[in-house]
Amino acid sequence: DIQMTQSPSTLSASVGDRVTITCRASQSITTWLAWYQQKQGKAPKLLIYDASTLESGVPSRFTGSGSGTEFTLTISSLQPDDFATYYCQQYIGYLWTFGQGTKVEIK
Amino acid sequence: QVQLVESGGGVAQPGRSLRLSCAASGFTFSIYGMHWVRQAPGKGLEWVAVISYDGANKYYADSVRGRFTISRDNSKNTVYLQMNSLRPEDTAVYYCAKPTAKVSGFDNWGQGTLITVSS
Repeated sequence: DIQMTQSPSTLSASVGDRVTITCRASQSITTWLAWYQQKQGKAPKLLIYDASTLESGVPSRFTGSGSGTEFTLTISSLQPDDFATYYCQQYIGYLWTFGQGTKVEIK
Repeated sequence: QVQLVESGGGVAQPGRSLRLSCAASGFTFSIYGMHWVRQAPGKGLEWVAVISYDGANKYYADSVRGRFTISRDNSKNTVYLQMNSLRPEDTAVYYCAKPTAKVSGFDNWGQGTLITVSS
């Protein structure tokens, strides 16, 4: 199975900061990667798919990049609504897996 | 709009069984594979299982293979998760999830249903 490793596990930042989260795959997944945002008690929300395609309705301050085994999610200017947990997910093949999550906290 | 509504959650003793249902509406259910994803309390997301659009193909995470069975009834727009031999580590919120049209992640999720496995 493909393992997904996110870093950092927790990130403390202020409103207006540029934030970057990294996700590494244990083997190449080309660009079969999605990013999700999850708030406490809610289902995850799809932000980016195919590594860099913004889901409809998602603010443009969210950017995804990468291919192969290394990927990043960048929030260009952190907003109050962005404090949440973020997950990457690979969807190559039939056994999809998630990263362990990155919690973005208020500094 | 797309709606996914899970039901069947509750408390079960270790070794017992439960069946979850996910009723879908607002899209052509019969052309989409469907997935179950779970989240233990305070933990991350774990992909559990997928069933193809016609029910012919099913795949499972190692942690549930041999104990859980995914199935679907396209006449009822419903996907199921039969959970047998439950363990305390199966305690989680279980979500059903619909992939995007290009199978690029999940664009719709249910509200989740909580399963607690405890004696």
